[in-house]
Amino acid sequence: AQSVTQLDSQVPVFEEAPVELRCNYSSSVSVYLFWYVQYPNQGLQLLLKYLSGSTLVKGINGFEAEFNKSQTSFHLRKPSVHISDTAEYFCAVTLNPHTGKLIFGQGTTLQVKP
Amino acid sequence: GAVVSQHPSWVICKSGTSVKIECRSLDFQATTMFWYRQFPKQSLMLMATSNEGSKATYEQGVEKDKFLINHASLTLSTLTVTSAHPEDSSFYICSARGARQNTEAFFGQGTRLTVV
Repeated sequence: AQSVTQLDSQVPVFEEAPVELRCNYSSSVSVYLFWYVQYPNQGLQLLLKYLSGSTLVKGINGFEAEFNKSQTSFHLRKPSVHISDTAEYFCAVTLNPHTGKLIFGQGTTLQVKP
Repeated sequence: GAVVSQHPSWVICKSGTSVKIECRSLDFQATTMFWYRQFPKQSLMLMATSNEGSKATYEQGVEKDKFLINHASLTLSTLTVTSAHPEDSSFYICSARGARQNTEAFFGQGTRLTVV
């Protein structure tokens, strides 16, 4: 079975500082990886996804993530955060991106302080 | 493109009543829709997968008689919480994918259900 672990439940950071949100997955077969952002009382918005090809994936809002197969990780990074980046971030995996069926991590709350 | 809309955004109902939540794909035909439940400060848990014109597939531990899912058209799926109880209070989110959105499902804005 597949699982996703987000190692940090909360990440406080000052505005304009860099940030990394960690995500590790467990699977005996190849998986496809996603990062979503959720603002309060809203649905999820896709930040980026890794399906194949380059292991460094760039997404919206200046975020990027790197797929590391040997470490089974897909950490999300941003070089300089803004107050507006304060939100909940979810890492997710799927065995088959065509199905749309996702397994989510526990989520990480990014708190950007002025 | 690829907009998914949920209605209502929030609802309060009395214990014992039923509540229907709609999930619509506004600009594409959703061959598959997913229903998730999210408790406060927790992750999303998949409840069921519905394919247009067929019965929904429920995840283990989800009561199909309590959470009725209907996917009667390519743009609409509904989740009905029957005989709601306070423990059913939660944030319910749908997502949808179509034949052309072959690697991504798009999420609705969610519905906050409070049962009093």
